[in-house]
Amino acid sequence: GENVEQHPSTLSVQEGDSAVIKCTYSDSASNYFPWYKQELGKRPQLIIDIRSNVGEKKDQRIAVTLNKTAKHFSLHITETQPEDSAVYFCAASPNSGGYQKVTFGTGTKLQVIP
Amino acid sequence: KAGVTQTPRYLIKTRGQQVTLSCSPISGHRSVSWYQQTPGQGLQFLFEYFSETQRNKGNFPGRFSGRQFSNSRSEMNVSTLELGDSALYLCASRGLEMPGELFFGEGSRLTVL
Repeated sequence: GENVEQHPSTLSVQEGDSAVIKCTYSDSASNYFPWYKQELGKRPQLIIDIRSNVGEKKDQRIAVTLNKTAKHFSLHITETQPEDSAVYFCAASPNSGGYQKVTFGTGTKLQVIP
Repeated sequence: KAGVTQTPRYLIKTRGQQVTLSCSPISGHRSVSWYQQTPGQGLQFLFEYFSETQRNKGNFPGRFSGRQFSNSRSEMNVSTLELGDSALYLCASRGLEMPGELFFGEGSRLTVL
């Protein structure tokens, strides 16, 4: 089955700096890669996703890149703000449609220092 | 519309007991997934149900089971509880309009003493 590895497990950055979280996956059939943000004491929520026919996707200060050949994808947050502090999870799924299993990484705790 | 609702939110059990957790998905969503969240282990997939049938299953022992009812509500049961079962159990629903996105509930925090 799919295995998703995520690094680093913790990340501290100064407010205004950029943060990068990296994930690798094992199943070449995976073609949908969502990222979820979980604030302290709250539920995970989707913040951005990318499909395998796209190499990069941006949404304001957040961007995700995908390298299917190397089987890795990354989350980039620019101009970090204290409200970006949370645990971020990457995930991979073999199909964006239907009911395919979504496999999550182990999470990255991001701390933005004011 | 209402979000995913999980009950109970908190519960304490002792080793050897069993527990049943409930999840009501977003109205119209027919898929419900269950995840176990523990520090350092992230979100570990338990199983997913769609139209009352288990569609996917993770690598958990048979003590963990689930079911889904005709109204899409789902229950998860853990029998013969062990200390290591202490965790936050999250359920998530998915809809046909955006099958990729999981909508999570707030979770049921289980403590096993």
